[in-house]
Amino acid sequence: ETGVTQSPTHLIKTRGQQVTLRCSSQSGHNTVSWYQQALGQGPQFIFQYYREEENGRGNFPPRFSGLQFPNYSSELNVNALELDDSALYLCASSLGPQLAGGYEQYFGPGTRLTVT
Amino acid sequence: DQQVKQNSPSLSVQEGRISILNCDYTNSMFDYFLWYKKYPAEGPTFLISISSIKDKNEDGRFTVFLNKSAKHLSLHIVPSQPGDSAVYFCAASEPGGGADGLTFGKGTHLIIQP
Repeated sequence: ETGVTQSPTHLIKTRGQQVTLRCSSQSGHNTVSWYQQALGQGPQFIFQYYREEENGRGNFPPRFSGLQFPNYSSELNVNALELDDSALYLCASSLGPQLAGGYEQYFGPGTRLTVT
Repeated sequence: DQQVKQNSPSLSVQEGRISILNCDYTNSMFDYFLWYKKYPAEGPTFLISISSIKDKNEDGRFTVFLNKSAKHLSLHIVPSQPGDSAVYFCAASEPGGGADGLTFGKGTHLIIQP
């Protein structure tokens, strides 16, 4: 069984640029959630995709957007990058959008984004 | 405003002894709580969870206790092993599933000393 994978591992971008991060969910998982983890902080919820539609969103501006594909893989796009966007971006997949009863989220290793 | 707080950035415990990691929350709407463990260069790994209708859940060496009146939960690891050295995150969710995502604390770095 393949776990959650993310690409790239590391990325360096310049302020104002755009970036796309990718995530492949664990086999059989139809729900993908994205989190941002700044240095010294816990992960912060960005949004969730379920059956190719945004199912919920945290307190992030519209320049953070996403997609989910028919194979349940997902992309996170960030436009007009700011220095504060430098963080570890984590993708998590689950059997469904619920958070209890066997629907726990399984995380990938993350993409480290540095904005200069 | 942090809704999930882990007030100990680090904790050092001798191998074989009990490790107790604490977590406090302020949002009374939270009804499901989880603990994740994170090694460097890896994503968080799910450890154990507890619903608000319970006060204890046990899985092998790991036990989570929930005190709803105090809005406090704790993770007990007995006995502690060297492989337990990692950052531990407490997380919580409101009813309604994943649409609101998980709310995480800042983490506690557990160090198991031989």
